[in-house]
Amino acid sequence: KAGVTQTPRYLIKTRGQQVTLSCSPISGHRSVSWYQQTPGQGLQFLFEYFSETQRNKGNFPGRFSGRQFSNSRSEMNVSTLELGDSALYLCASSLTGYPGNTIYFGEGSWLTVV
Amino acid sequence: QQQVKQSPQSLIVQKGGISIINCAYENTAFDYFPWYQQFPGKGPALLIAIRPDVSEKKEGRFTISFNKSAKQFSLHIMDSQPGDSATYFCAASMPDRGSTLGRLYFGRGTQLTVWP
Repeated sequence: KAGVTQTPRYLIKTRGQQVTLSCSPISGHRSVSWYQQTPGQGLQFLFEYFSETQRNKGNFPGRFSGRQFSNSRSEMNVSTLELGDSALYLCASSLTGYPGNTIYFGEGSWLTVV
Repeated sequence: QQQVKQSPQSLIVQKGGISIINCAYENTAFDYFPWYQQFPGKGPALLIAIRPDVSEKKEGRFTISFNKSAKQFSLHIMDSQPGDSATYFCAASMPDRGSTLGRLYFGRGTQLTVWP
């Protein structure tokens, strides 16, 4: 069974640009969540989607957005990139997102903003 | 604020020794406590998880001890091996409270180094 797949794995962007990251969850999983990982702040929750609907959102500015498609694949977008957005962006999937459902992480997309 | 507090930040253990990582929480609504292991360049991988209705759960060399009254839980790695060298994160989640479903609250992580 394929794991959570994230693309691209590495990317470098310039301040002010925007970026789109893609995530394919484990087959059959309908919940997709996104986390930002930085050395300073650790793992921080961005948002979670289920059946194409955003169920909840972390404490990030509106420049961070996401969506989920009917096949459960998800994308997140960051507009007007800032240097502080440099981070590892992790996508995670689970069957339903309910507590006790194991949450599986992808290997992440490393974003560097210069 | 940090909902789950983890310590120590780093830990060095001799091969064969016991590694102990501690976490504490305040929100009694949490009812699921997983531990994740992360190697450099990889995403976190679930190691073991526990619910507050049990005080201990063991899987191989990994044990979670849970103290509900103290709102603390810990990971014990017995017979630590160099291959266990990684960053360990404790986490917690709660039932749906309108904006919490599907969300994990993570500790800041413990970098474990096991010397051969």
